[in-house]
Amino acid sequence: GENVEQHPSTLSVQEGDSAVIKCTYSDSASNYFPWYKQELGKRPQLIIDIRSNVGEKKDQRIAVTLNKTAKHFSLHITETQPEDSAVYFCAASLRISSGSARQLTFGSGTQLTVLP
Amino acid sequence: GAGVSQSPRYKVAKRGQDVALRCDPISGHVSLFWYQQALGQGPEFLTYFQNEAQLDKSGLPSDRFFAERPEGSVSTLKIQRTQKEDSAVYLCASSLIQGLANFNEQFFGPGTRLTVL
Repeated sequence: GENVEQHPSTLSVQEGDSAVIKCTYSDSASNYFPWYKQELGKRPQLIIDIRSNVGEKKDQRIAVTLNKTAKHFSLHITETQPEDSAVYFCAASLRISSGSARQLTFGSGTQLTVLP
Repeated sequence: GAGVSQSPRYKVAKRGQDVALRCDPISGHVSLFWYQQALGQGPEFLTYFQNEAQLDKSGLPSDRFFAERPEGSVSTLKIQRTQKEDSAVYLCASSLIQGLANFNEQFFGPGTRLTVL
């Protein structure tokens, strides 16, 4: 099955600096890569996603890049703010043979702390 | 209705007790997923429903875990004879449309934090 590795596990940056989180995946069939933000005690919320037919996607201060050949994708947050502090999870979708929905395989998470 | 809701939010069980966790997906969402999130880890897939049909239960860790969605809306995850290693947050997620060509966002509920003593 799919295996997603994520690093770093913790990341501290100064407010205004950029943060980069990297993930690798194992199954070349995976073609959907969402990123979720989870604040302490709250539900994971989608912040951005990318499909395998594009190499980069940007939404304001957040961008994601995908390298299908190397099977890795990254989250970039620019001009970080204290409210960006949370745990960020990458995920990859693995097609289920018996149906057409897509379960998510998650990385282990990155605790991002933005220091004021 | 707002988003996905789950109840109870917190559950403490004695080892050996049976528990039932409820998920109310967003109205009209066809797909429903259950995930288990251990402390400090990412969510791990347990099982998936398309309407009332359980199409994949490959992630259920043992036969003590059972899930159902009899009318294609509300789902219940049941854990029999709970063990300490079952302690985790159980997340439910739903998405609107199933289909090979669709990449539909999974909306997560707040989770049920289960502690087995």
